[in-house]
Amino acid sequence: KQEVTQIPAALSVPEGENLVLNCSFTDSAIYNLQWFRQDPGKGLTSLLLIQSSQREQTSGRLNASLDKSSGRSTLYIAASQPGDSATYLCAVSGGGNKLTFGTGTQLKVEL
Amino acid sequence: DTAVSQTPKYLVTQMGNDKSIKCEQNLGHDTMYWYKQDSKKFLKIMFSYNNKELIINETVPNRFSPKSPDKAHLNLHINSLELGDSAVYFCASSLVPTGPFYEQYFGPGTRLTVT
Repeated sequence: KQEVTQIPAALSVPEGENLVLNCSFTDSAIYNLQWFRQDPGKGLTSLLLIQSSQREQTSGRLNASLDKSSGRSTLYIAASQPGDSATYLCAVSGGGNKLTFGTGTQLKVEL
Repeated sequence: DTAVSQTPKYLVTQMGNDKSIKCEQNLGHDTMYWYKQDSKKFLKIMFSYNNKELIINETVPNRFSPKSPDKAHLNLHINSLELGDSAVYFCASSLVPTGPFYEQYFGPGTRLTVT
């Protein structure tokens, strides 16, 4: 059974800092990994999708890496801004169309 | 707007009632999902439909019954609501999930409160 864990559970940083969010999963037989952002009371916004054959994906200030063999992914956020404050979720897709979500990292970027 | 939409956004009801949550997507996707996010913010899949056919049915009480009138709609009907059903329910959609290329798109969620 796939289990996804995210560390840290919560993170508070000053504006401008670069930061790394971690995601680990127990079963390396995945099709892809997605990073989502969830704002309070809102739905999920997909940030990046990394296919199992890829090592990283970049979008603006975000960079996600994937090491499938070790069951790890990181989300790197450069030059953090208060608007980046949200909960970040990673989710892995295994056989079929089932996404298994991580426990989330609640990020607060302070002025 | 092209998106996944859900109604209602908020639903407050009493124990024992029957309620429905509606979901529609206009992305042309073939597959739709229902997820539950509990009070600890943990998201877990409940159901998945592909072209109106049930694909995934996790360990969900029989009181929950998804209904897909067409591939653009997946509604969630809940009978005999219980306090533990209080959660945020998210609908999502994707293209047919063959291999690593599909991406799921989520609706805004429906916050269900059972009193």
